[in-house]
Amino acid sequence: SAVISQKPSRDICQRGTSLTIQCQVDSQVTMMFWYRQQPGQSLTLIATANQGSEATYESGFVIDKFPISRPNLTFSTLTVSNMSPEDSSIYLCSVEDGQGARRQYFGPGTRLTVT
Amino acid sequence: AQTVTQSQPEMSVQEAETVTLSCTYDTSENNYYLFWYKQPPSRQMILVIRQEAYKQQNATENRFSVNFQKAAKSFSLKISDSQLGDTAMYFCAFMKHVHSNDYKLSFGAGTTVTVRA
Repeated sequence: SAVISQKPSRDICQRGTSLTIQCQVDSQVTMMFWYRQQPGQSLTLIATANQGSEATYESGFVIDKFPISRPNLTFSTLTVSNMSPEDSSIYLCSVEDGQGARRQYFGPGTRLTVT
Repeated sequence: AQTVTQSQPEMSVQEAETVTLSCTYDTSENNYYLFWYKQPPSRQMILVIRQEAYKQQNATENRFSVNFQKAAKSFSLKISDSQLGDTAMYFCAFMKHVHSNDYKLSFGAGTTVTVRA
């Protein structure tokens, strides 16, 4: 399975600011995903990021709030913009294994606290 | 839309014993995938086991096995010979079939499993 890293691992930010989270994969992957896990909750898909095209956002998530970049097949960023305390969550990136088996592997997550 | 239900918020098991986690789902799809993920306190999501809906044989990965009942839309996870390292939150998840362009994982609410020494 792919090895996925995320930066930063955690951060504490002030409301109104923005944070960019990086996701790096050790192999080329077509499909990358960004999930949010609010405190004590399950995971919710924010968007799908494919290289060479705009990200596809799920209902309830918009590009102005969560802009995503996917410059190549091993890297993606998620920005959380104009943060409020409600954005305090763990943000996880994942990749699809590319073998048609529909397995997704996750990065270690970024724990964001907004004060 | 698919919904995944895990009705057991918490489970506790003695080390070396067996525990079974329940999961039910609702879908109109005929072909799909089901997964169990483990999230220990480190928060790393780890894929435990995967089941393809068109396969009748239940998936097994070492001490982890599933009981897949397609008609009942049930997908339970059995952890045998529980170990302290199995302590984690376990999430059941659903994904549409490979011929769909939808790669979204729909997760249940999770079950916290505590293994007691």
